Amino acid sequence: EVQLVESGGGLVQPGRPLRLSCAASGFTFDDHAMHWVRQAPGKGLEWVSAINWNSRDKAYVDSVRGRFTISRDNARKSLYLQVSSLRPEDTALYYCVKGSSGYNHDVMDVWGQGTTVTVSS
Amino acid sequence: QSALTQPASVSGSPGQSITISCTGTSSDISGYNYVSWYQQHPGKVPKLLIYDVNNRPSGVSNRFSGSKSGNTASLTISGLQAEDETDYYCSSYTSSGTWVFGGGTKLTVL
Repeated sequence: EVQLVESGGGLVQPGRPLRLSCAASGFTFDDHAMHWVRQAPGKGLEWVSAINWNSRDKAYVDSVRGRFTISRDNARKSLYLQVSSLRPEDTALYYCVKGSSGYNHDVMDVWGQGTTVTVSS
Repeated sequence: QSALTQPASVSGSPGQSITISCTGTSSDISGYNYVSWYQQHPGKVPKLLIYDVNNRPSGVSNRFSGSKSGNTASLTISGLQAEDETDYYCSSYTSSGTWVFGGGTKLTVL
């Protein structure tokens, strides 16, 4: 069974950094692209970032480019999102999502339960 | 990277069919066949319903179908059931190498 378990969320002050992690199991991690998608309280889904199987292709939504960095460790079967210069509007539930193939353009098919990030002073 | 446009709400009676539209641009929906649809019940994780415009993952009911014409993708749910009442999101790959979601549609089963 595919499992994605996010961690690292919490309450953080504006401008402070945070590192989100996602531990994957139940599939061949290095065969798949991975994504981060977030959902602000009571709002819709927003795609944040993606990384292909070998880390050579990374993409970001405009609102986080330059502040967030996606990375992966295939040996550890883990996905990360280093978030810096946090803003109140970054407050959301952050989902780790598996891609159906190694490429960022293929569908996001399995979602983790998410980790909550709250940005507030 | 503007969000795709979905109606805020749609409704239908049990047994009827409804269609949810998702409008984008030539940079996303009409440019690629990488359109997908998700169902999200309150407090739950999104579930993939349709991928690559009109394909269903195994285990998804054939009451759900997808299509695309020009800049608009559509999700049709036939034989509406009470359990279908929830939120639905479309998404598309874009020419920027990113993904974009629609704002979501709340389906009410009358």
